[in-house]
Amino acid sequence: DVKVTQSSRYLVKRTGEKVFLECVQDMDHENMFWYRQDPGLGLRLIYFSYDVKMKEKGDIPEGYSVSREKKERFSLILESASTNQTSMYLCASSHRDEYETLHFGNGTRLTVT
Amino acid sequence: EDKVVQSPLSLVVHEGDTVTLNCSYEVTNFRSLLWYKQEKKAPTFLFMLTSSGIEKKSGRLSSILDKKELFSILNITATQTGDSAIYLCAVLRDDKIIFGKGTRLHILP
Repeated sequence: DVKVTQSSRYLVKRTGEKVFLECVQDMDHENMFWYRQDPGLGLRLIYFSYDVKMKEKGDIPEGYSVSREKKERFSLILESASTNQTSMYLCASSHRDEYETLHFGNGTRLTVT
Repeated sequence: EDKVVQSPLSLVVHEGDTVTLNCSYEVTNFRSLLWYKQEKKAPTFLFMLTSSGIEKKSGRLSSILDKKELFSILNITATQTGDSAIYLCAVLRDDKIIFGKGTRLHILP
């Protein structure tokens, strides 16, 4: 069974801090995605990656960056956290040509104070 | 601009009722429509629909796609409290998935 693991379930950070959200998958998936989920706005794509060292901007990349140094790990970085980045962050992965069968992690609820 | 619109945004029914959730879309380069169920944690995959008029079924859940009218419905019959969740509709276009805002379904015992 595919497992997508997000390092933290809950995180509280202060405004201006640099924040790292980590995601690891164990099924050798090429594609990895970061979404944020907010009430009334649904899931919105922040960044995605098709391969190691590759990254593509999603719909709302502002204020975020990503890193994919190894195939199994995809990190989301908030360079200087702001209160409007308080949200649920979901990581997902899929095989190269199987975009439809996304496997999601359990999410990280980030609060920026 | 691509969009996926779900309705209603929230719904409360009694156990045993039948519910219909709606999803309409406007996207370029449509490949397939997806339904996910999200309880407390990660969304889990329910259905993928690619062809019009072919019903997909899994137990009490079923779904169908109309590519001419650009919509899909998800039906749940004989609802149970365990069906309470957010149901997400999404459309795969090219290599990107676009999600709707979800329908929050609450089943009263």
